[in-house]
Amino acid sequence: TQLLEQSPQFLSIQEGENLTVYCNSSSVFSSLQWYRQEPGEGPVLLVTVVTGGEVKKLKRLTFQFGDARKDSSLHITAAQPGDTGLYLCAGAPSREGQGAQKLVFGQGTRLTINP
Amino acid sequence: DTGVSQNPRHKITKRGQNVTFRCDPISEHNRLYWYRQTLGQGPEFLTYFQNEAQLEKSRLLSDRFSAERPKGSFSTLEIQRTEQGDSAMYLCASSRGTVSSYNSPLHFGNGTRLTVT
Repeated sequence: TQLLEQSPQFLSIQEGENLTVYCNSSSVFSSLQWYRQEPGEGPVLLVTVVTGGEVKKLKRLTFQFGDARKDSSLHITAAQPGDTGLYLCAGAPSREGQGAQKLVFGQGTRLTINP
Repeated sequence: DTGVSQNPRHKITKRGQNVTFRCDPISEHNRLYWYRQTLGQGPEFLTYFQNEAQLEKSRLLSDRFSAERPKGSFSTLEIQRTEQGDSAMYLCASSRGTVSSYNSPLHFGNGTRLTVT
C-alpha cells in the first residue's frame, strides 16, 4: 500500500512569515498534486508536478518534486491570512491511463496564518 | 463549466437505514470518481467510472456500497444498512480521461457529509 505522510499536520504562524510543508513516501509516484481545501468544500487543485526535480511557482507558493519522485514540498513566502486552509498532497501511482487518477492523499496540513 | 455538483450536501440518518447520494460531473468529463474523507484525514479512493463502466473499486468499498453511472453522466452512491463508521464526507470528482491523461486534473464537488447516528 502506498502512503503519503505530510508534516507538519498543524501549523500556525504570523502573517509575513515563510513556511514549508513536506510530503514524503517510500513509494515512487508518476505525478504529485497539491490541493487546497476550505471547510465544507472539496479540494481544489493548485499544481501538478510530473518530473523528478521539477519546481513550479504559483505566486508566493513554490512546489518541488523530489528527484526520485517519492517526496514533495510546498514553500510559502510571506504568508497571508488568505493562505489559511488545509493543504493536501496526492500521488498518482501509475502512468497508465486507467489507474492514473486513483490518487493517494496525505492526511493534510492545516495551516493558519494569523494577522 | 458549472463544476461538479453533489446532492444532498448533508445527510443525517439512523444506523441501519439506506442512503443514496448523487453526483453530477462536469458535462464533458468522461471519468467520475468517488472518494471518502473522514475528519482529520485526506480523501481515500473508493471507485471510479470511465463513461458508464465501473473500472475499479477499492477494498474500502464493502458489499453494502454500490455505485452506478447508468448513462455515463450522473452517478449515484448507495450505502445500505448504514453503520456509524460510515460517517464521513463523500466526495465526487470528475476529469477528462484519455490514454495519456495520467496527470489530468480532478475537479471535486463540495461533497455530501453523512452522519450516522
